Amino acid sequence: QQKVQQSPESLSVPEGGMASFNCTSSDRNFQYFWWYRQHSGEGPKALMSIFSDGDKKEGRFTAHLNKASLHVSLHIRDSQPSDSALYFCAASGGNYAQGLTFGLGTRVSVFP
Amino acid sequence: EAAVTQSPRNKVAVTGGKVTLSCNQTNNHNNMYWYRQDTGHGLRLIHYSYGAGSTEKGDIPDGYKASRPSQENFSLILELATPSQTSVYFCASGEGLGGRDTQYFGPGTRLLVL
Repeated sequence: QQKVQQSPESLSVPEGGMASFNCTSSDRNFQYFWWYRQHSGEGPKALMSIFSDGDKKEGRFTAHLNKASLHVSLHIRDSQPSDSALYFCAASGGNYAQGLTFGLGTRVSVFP
Repeated sequence: EAAVTQSPRNKVAVTGGKVTLSCNQTNNHNNMYWYRQDTGHGLRLIHYSYGAGSTEKGDIPDGYKASRPSQENFSLILELATPSQTSVYFCASGEGLGGRDTQYFGPGTRLLVL
């Protein structure tokens, strides 16, 4: 079973609209979470990290973390065609860097 | 922003052959990682390193070896390549902040094993 689960698998959003998607972990060792974005043919790129309960906003992107339920969400305001990509939730835990555990991703398509 | 490069970008290998994938980072990051990406499995960690001379096994190390000869370079070695190792491989580097290590990925190497 995937330790990091994402939903939905895909979604379509009109240009200028709000895209929202979720991530849930089944491993209580995970303390730190990231959202990565991957455009076709490229490597994943870190969008933002979130380590504390609550909201974190960076530009048009807002992440929310609930550590009690190990639930993370990402919201993209004023979606642009360039936001069309695969979005990964990634998690890690502990004091030593041992790599990230990724979800399977949510594919976002922004249509005009 | 972190600069991570990978070579080759595309590789075709034969079953049983030896394949070496190379990664170079120019940001003096302590940690480096190798992942593979497959449909239905996402990104999975193969090996990682805390610095020159160190290599650690990740979640799926079987069939792979790693080498970290310097701070900048990290290689992934397939001694006897198999078709199941056909995948896209990504290298990443991180500053070494423990569990809070944001990772910066290279552009990937697409490997086809025939």
